[in-house]
Amino acid sequence: EVQLVESGGGLVQPGWSLRLSCAASGLSIDEYGIHWVRQAPGKGLEWVSGINWNSGGTGYADSVKGRFTISRDNAKNSLYLHMSSLRADDTAFYYCAKGDAHDWYFDLWGRGTLVIVSS
Amino acid sequence: DIVMTQFPDSLAVSLGERATINCQSSQSLFYSSYNKNYLAWYQQKPGQPPKLLIYWASTRESGVPDRFSGSGSGTDFTLTIDSLQAEDVAVYYCQQYFSAPVTFGPGTKVDIK
Repeated sequence: EVQLVESGGGLVQPGWSLRLSCAASGLSIDEYGIHWVRQAPGKGLEWVSGINWNSGGTGYADSVKGRFTISRDNAKNSLYLHMSSLRADDTAFYYCAKGDAHDWYFDLWGRGTLVIVSS
Repeated sequence: DIVMTQFPDSLAVSLGERATINCQSSQSLFYSSYNKNYLAWYQQKPGQPPKLLIYWASTRESGVPDRFSGSGSGTDFTLTIDSLQAEDVAVYYCQQYFSAPVTFGPGTKVDIK
């Protein structure tokens, strides 16, 4: 079965760091662009970050630039999001989403992992 | 960044009737070299991740019922659900992937009247 499974979410205090993981099965992540999209509870969707399939080039939303780092481990077929200097407005479900090889519409989503930033 | 707007915010439609959702972008999503509009539609049911319905503005994703259709070009797009079914109750989002960062519309909630 082709799927993405996120993990690593939890409750953290403002200013702390957290690393999210996305394990892929049934597909090779190095053949696609893979992204993180978040959704605050009861709110809409916000693209956070993505990594290209070939060069490994990365992109970030302005809201997380300088604080979040996306990476992948092709051998483990996994994607990561290292989040630092977390703020209350980073509280959200974080979804791993697979894009087309060249275009960033998302045809496969994980079920998400919840990050809560609160003191 | 390209700003996406949707209207209405919500709508209630009788079972078997048509639902129409509109999406506008702050700049054209049409790339003439490829003759394509870089616009996708997603369905999100409560407690579930989004599901891709339509890409390239009008191409239905595999497995999506043919009562879902997308139309439009440039800056104005429409998602139509013909003969609404109970399982279509959800929030629907449009998304542009013409330029980075990709951006989503605020969503339209569809309910049964």
